Amino acid sequence: DAGVIQSPRHEVTEMGQEVTLRCKPISGHNSLFWYRQTMMRGLELLIYFNNNVPIDDSGMPEDRFSAKMPNASFSTLKIQPSEPRDSAVYFCASSLGTSGGVGANVLTFGAGSRLTVL
Amino acid sequence: AQSVTQPDIHITVSEGASLELRCNYSYGATPYLFWYVQSPGQGLQLLLKYFSGDTLVQGIKGFEAEFKRSQSSFNLRKPSVHWSDAAEYFCAVDPILTGGGNKLTFGTGTQLKVEL
Repeated sequence: DAGVIQSPRHEVTEMGQEVTLRCKPISGHNSLFWYRQTMMRGLELLIYFNNNVPIDDSGMPEDRFSAKMPNASFSTLKIQPSEPRDSAVYFCASSLGTSGGVGANVLTFGAGSRLTVL
Repeated sequence: AQSVTQPDIHITVSEGASLELRCNYSYGATPYLFWYVQSPGQGLQLLLKYFSGDTLVQGIKGFEAEFKRSQSSFNLRKPSVHWSDAAEYFCAVDPILTGGGNKLTFGTGTQLKVEL
């Protein structure tokens, strides 16, 4: 099991550019989450999906952020246009979700994508 | 408002000493409770979890945590700390929302430093 795979691990871009972060969840996991981690705000849930359907995107900061999950094995988080305040580490996590019973409420995290917007 | 509090931002202990990291939550009912550890430049790794039953739960790397309903606490402990335990530790709660999804809320984290 390769775990949750995120790419890129590091991204440096200039303000105004489009950024796309990618995530491959663990096979068989039905829930996928995007978190953002900063020194000031800690870990924040941005959005989560169940069975590829966005359930709660209330944490998405603004319209510049969008997330998609076209199939069970792939998700993207896009920022367009990017701003310096978007600099953070973005984590993807997955879980068995509603299909796994009580014991499924365990998130497995990827290694994160560190974004720096200049 | 629902919240998770880790009152200690930084803790320093000597190698071999015991450790206790505090976590308090504020929810209407007992949520699912978790402790995660994050090493520098890495993602979060699950240490242990509490869903129900025995209030003392064992985790990986020799950690344990005790759920105390009366105090709304879920403190993490280790009898003897190793230098490799230096990391940031996060308490998290899942309010067990209906309709699916595991919407974890994380505390602000406690940075553990281990002195040799």
